[in-house]
Amino acid sequence: DAKTTQPTSMDCAEGRAANLPCNHSTISGNEYVYWYRQIHSQGPQYIIHGLKNNETNEMASLIITEDRKSSTLILPHATLRDTAVYYCIARGSGTSYGKLTFGQGTILTVHP
Amino acid sequence: EAGVAQSPRYKIIEKRQSVAFWCNPISGHATLYWYQQILGQGPKLLIQFQNNGVVDDSQLPKDRFSAERLKGVDSTLKIQPAKLEDSAVYLCASWNGWDEQFFGPGTRLTVL
Repeated sequence: DAKTTQPTSMDCAEGRAANLPCNHSTISGNEYVYWYRQIHSQGPQYIIHGLKNNETNEMASLIITEDRKSSTLILPHATLRDTAVYYCIARGSGTSYGKLTFGQGTILTVHP
Repeated sequence: EAGVAQSPRYKIIEKRQSVAFWCNPISGHATLYWYQQILGQGPKLLIQFQNNGVVDDSQLPKDRFSAERLKGVDSTLKIQPAKLEDSAVYLCASWNGWDEQFFGPGTRLTVL
């Protein structure tokens, strides 16, 4: 699985967009970029995933660079409930298909 | 749909004692995972089942940890004997093969 690199922590004001970067410079062509978040004392929760194209759902948008070496998760209007640890993961392929390798993630704190 | 169920939610034991955790995945999900999450770190995969067979147990400390999924549905993870460093949250997740992995709430283990 490709290694991902994320900032340790970020802050965001409530109501503003939160832009969380992720570097995955060694990602292979068939590895998807997945984003999960973990709110305190809960299990990780899926947010969004993508391969090449930008993706949007009801929770967030995912922007993947053309060379696929980095991506940005965008929470368009952050709320206090978005305070969590956000994990960017290059999902395994081949024999490790489905396997998620978590890093330390980014602690996002949304302030009033 | 019902989520991934885990029990107990909390467990406190003394070192060298035994402990078991139970997981019931989402109905129809053939793949089941057990993760260990030490405080301040991301979840680490311990074992992956496909139906009742083990796909990946490369990071399972087999001298003290064991897991089974006898009928391909629910699963049990056991630690015998426990060490202080086993204090962590144990997360169970299930996957249907194409959508995202769904995680349970976890079992928080404290070894004294």
